[in-house]
Amino acid sequence: DAGITQSPRYKITETGRQVTLMCHQTWSHSYMFWYRQDLGHGLRLIYYSAAADITDKGEVPDGYVVSRSKTENFPLTLESATRSQTSVYFCASSESGGNQPQNFGDGTRLSIL
Amino acid sequence: QKEVEQNSGPLSVPEGAIASLNCTYSDRGSQSFFWYRQYSGKSPELIMFIYSNGDKEDGRFTAQLNKASQYVSLLIRDSQPSDSATYLCAVPMLRDNYGQNFVFGPGTRLSVLP
Repeated sequence: DAGITQSPRYKITETGRQVTLMCHQTWSHSYMFWYRQDLGHGLRLIYYSAAADITDKGEVPDGYVVSRSKTENFPLTLESATRSQTSVYFCASSESGGNQPQNFGDGTRLSIL
Repeated sequence: QKEVEQNSGPLSVPEGAIASLNCTYSDRGSQSFFWYRQYSGKSPELIMFIYSNGDKEDGRFTAQLNKASQYVSLLIRDSQPSDSATYLCAVPMLRDNYGQNFVFGPGTRLSVLP
């Protein structure tokens, strides 16, 4: 089925570990986004990508790395996880940026001990 | 100053009533406005969006824009208990550091009482 899928759905890891969250979309949307959602902060943009091999920082990029070698995939890596990165992470995509609606994946709940 | 503001609620309405949710935004040049519904533990789901050229109705949902006062409203008619969720307002804004992207409000929690 067409859509946007994230994996894993749940992840527990320890501080200092590297962890990668996966995002895959089948709509061939140009734009993809990573958000984190925390109580008291709402949804905040971490990184976004306008096309394959084009990525840009969002509001809270520190501690995260992204890549986009293929249009359909947009993985997010925490190179050395910290407790402050415990959050729910959402991937989203849209046909184009700016004024187009974004469709969200189911999210990854990440806990860092 | 927060760029997209919403009353966090909870907003409680009886079943069958009209629920009115408001969102204020800081950028007077904003051209589009998005409403998402998020059930507890789930991802945001797009309900509807409008552009600055007019209001929009879709079934029980109506989105209205007041450009002069810089707020957008979502009205839910004949509210049902299944409408109980958090409603997020999103407004694309141009940021110096990272282009034009969605800025989300904190969300309003709606509770529809049977």
